[in-house]
Amino acid sequence: NAGVTQTPKFRILKIGQSMTLQCTQDMNHNYMYWYRQDPGMGLKLIYYSVGAGITDKGEVPNGYNVSRSTTEDFPLRLELAAPSQTSVYFCASRDTSGGRADTQYFGPGTRLTVL
Amino acid sequence: QKEVEQDPGPLSVPEGAIVSLNCTYSNSAFQYFMWYRQYSRKGPELLMYTYSSGNKEDGRFTAQVDKSSKYISLFIRDSQPSDSATYLCAISRAQGGSEKLVFGKGTKLTVNP
Repeated sequence: NAGVTQTPKFRILKIGQSMTLQCTQDMNHNYMYWYRQDPGMGLKLIYYSVGAGITDKGEVPNGYNVSRSTTEDFPLRLELAAPSQTSVYFCASRDTSGGRADTQYFGPGTRLTVL
Repeated sequence: QKEVEQDPGPLSVPEGAIVSLNCTYSNSAFQYFMWYRQYSRKGPELLMYTYSSGNKEDGRFTAQVDKSSKYISLFIRDSQPSDSATYLCAISRAQGGSEKLVFGKGTKLTVNP
């Protein structure tokens, strides 16, 4: 299994541009998450999904949108990029089977800079 | 009051030292307690998972939970340079039927050879 994969690895955007961060998992997990990580600030939840067609806001959803049309894919859309969105973005999926119900598996991250 | 507090460090120790990493939390309803390890430019990976108060040991790592004090700790014995990473505590809560994790800010650890 490839686990959780994210593309692109790096991206530089100009203010006002839009882009989609891709996330795919091959573990058949229903739960998926998007986080952003700023230096010294830990992980902040942006959006999450409990299954195809179901999404909900996390702690910092403003400026982002998500969709979940399949179990495998959970893309994150940035509209009208702003410098405040410069961060490292992590996608994660969660195994809800078995006893370790909170095990989240993270992708390698996308480093985004908005200039 | 923040839900989870973690001293960001950084923490620098010599090889072989015992390392203690700590977090405090505010909500007594939290149920599950985890430690994630994040190497530089990588995603976090689960290191330890505990549910009840007490100690859980896995090799050189021991996770400790004190629910009465709302305090969790990670101890690393005989620390190695390969343990150099950022360690994040994470606590789960249930909201709206789905469970989300609340992360501490992470403590950056460097183990010097």
